[in-house]
Amino acid sequence: EPEVTQTPSHQVTQMGQEVILRCVPISNHLYFYWYRQILGQKVEFLVSFYNNEISEKSEIFDDQFSVERPDGSNFTLKIRSTKLEDSAMYFCARGGDTHEQFFGPGTRLTVL
Amino acid sequence: ELKVEQNPLFLSMQEGKNYTIYCNYSTTSDRLYWYRQDPGKSLESLFVLLSNGAVKQEGRLMASLDTKARLSTLHITAAVHDLSATYFCAGETSGSRLTFGEGTQLTVNP
Repeated sequence: EPEVTQTPSHQVTQMGQEVILRCVPISNHLYFYWYRQILGQKVEFLVSFYNNEISEKSEIFDDQFSVERPDGSNFTLKIRSTKLEDSAMYFCARGGDTHEQFFGPGTRLTVL
Repeated sequence: ELKVEQNPLFLSMQEGKNYTIYCNYSTTSDRLYWYRQDPGKSLESLFVLLSNGAVKQEGRLMASLDTKARLSTLHITAAVHDLSATYFCAGETSGSRLTFGEGTQLTVNP
């Protein structure tokens, strides 16, 4: 059973459009993370989110990105104006008391 | 800034053989993780290593951590085809941020 689910599984968008990627935890967790993986490359940290606030973000996470937990359940990653280089797999992960991170199935974002 | 390097990046081995994947990291890391990724899939957590000298084993995989050498190893014993995947190590810094290595693409041939 997945720890988190992500929707959509695949998103195709035009350059310059906004996209929202969603992460739905199976049970109540306080720690969430977003990572991305460009095809064939390593996994890169984007942002961590604790108790409904950003706790850390990477240099990749610029003003084009935002995260929120609008309804206290779903956890979203928004990219305001997508670029070609945003094409990647985006993984949501949840953390627990042991700090181990469990990854969701991912959303493949394709920017045309 | 934590840097994580794995080697080899590509590994082709025969079934039944043993091999080791190495993970070096540049600065103090709170924890060391190993993940497995099948093509087009997510990352599956294999091991979390918490302290110097930690050793964990699951089936044909064994992971160890030497914090003084800043080195973790993933040892494969008597490889089988089902182990073919990409294996990532990741170090954790404060804030629970994971920094991943480039991954080792393992192919086990019959």
